[in-house]
Amino acid sequence: AQKVTQAQTEISVVEKEDVTLDCVYETRDTTYYLFWYKQPPSGELVFLIRRNSFDEQNEISGRYSWNFQKSTSSFNFTITASQVVDSAVYFCALRNGSFQKLVFGTGTRLLVSP
Amino acid sequence: SQTIHQWPATLVQPVGSPLSLECTVEGTSNPNLYWYRQAAGRGLQLLFYSIGIDQISSEVPQNLSASRPQDRQFILSSKKLLLSDSGFYLCAWSGYRNTYEQYFGPGTRLTVT
Repeated sequence: AQKVTQAQTEISVVEKEDVTLDCVYETRDTTYYLFWYKQPPSGELVFLIRRNSFDEQNEISGRYSWNFQKSTSSFNFTITASQVVDSAVYFCALRNGSFQKLVFGTGTRLLVSP
Repeated sequence: SQTIHQWPATLVQPVGSPLSLECTVEGTSNPNLYWYRQAAGRGLQLLFYSIGIDQISSEVPQNLSASRPQDRQFILSSKKLLLSDSGFYLCAWSGYRNTYEQYFGPGTRLTVT
């Protein structure tokens, strides 16, 4: 069975702090895909990144970076120098290689205060 | 570019009334389509997904149903709403076969009173 765990329910930081959102996944498949989505207060989920199971290279996009480690089944998301606009709920998700469904974690609410 | 639309944006319905939420996708052909529900403060629950016209799979038994009368149209319905149907309903699409991420619409906030 597939499962995604986001143990951090809510995180509060002050602007300009760095913050890491944790994601731990479970799957028996050797080919799978991991995702991060952002849900701002408006409600729409915004796709941030996809990572394939055969590519453990970490990725950086501006202030965002992702650390994928198969040895610990983790796909953590770090925001550097957080801003108020980063306040949102962030979801980690998993999809196996042959099936179209995404399995979502329960989300982490990030609150960045000025 | 692809665009996904949902309507209505908000809806307040009494218990026992029918429901029809619509989702359409533009700019792509033969998408996979999905309906999710998000209860207040909770994660996303997959309700239905469709890989083609009239090909719909249900993930959670309930009083909701889905239909896909056209390639890029996905409808979520209920004959009689329950209080527990309240929530935020999100439609999503993904490309056929070899694209993996799902793209979400703006959502419909449903309150059953």
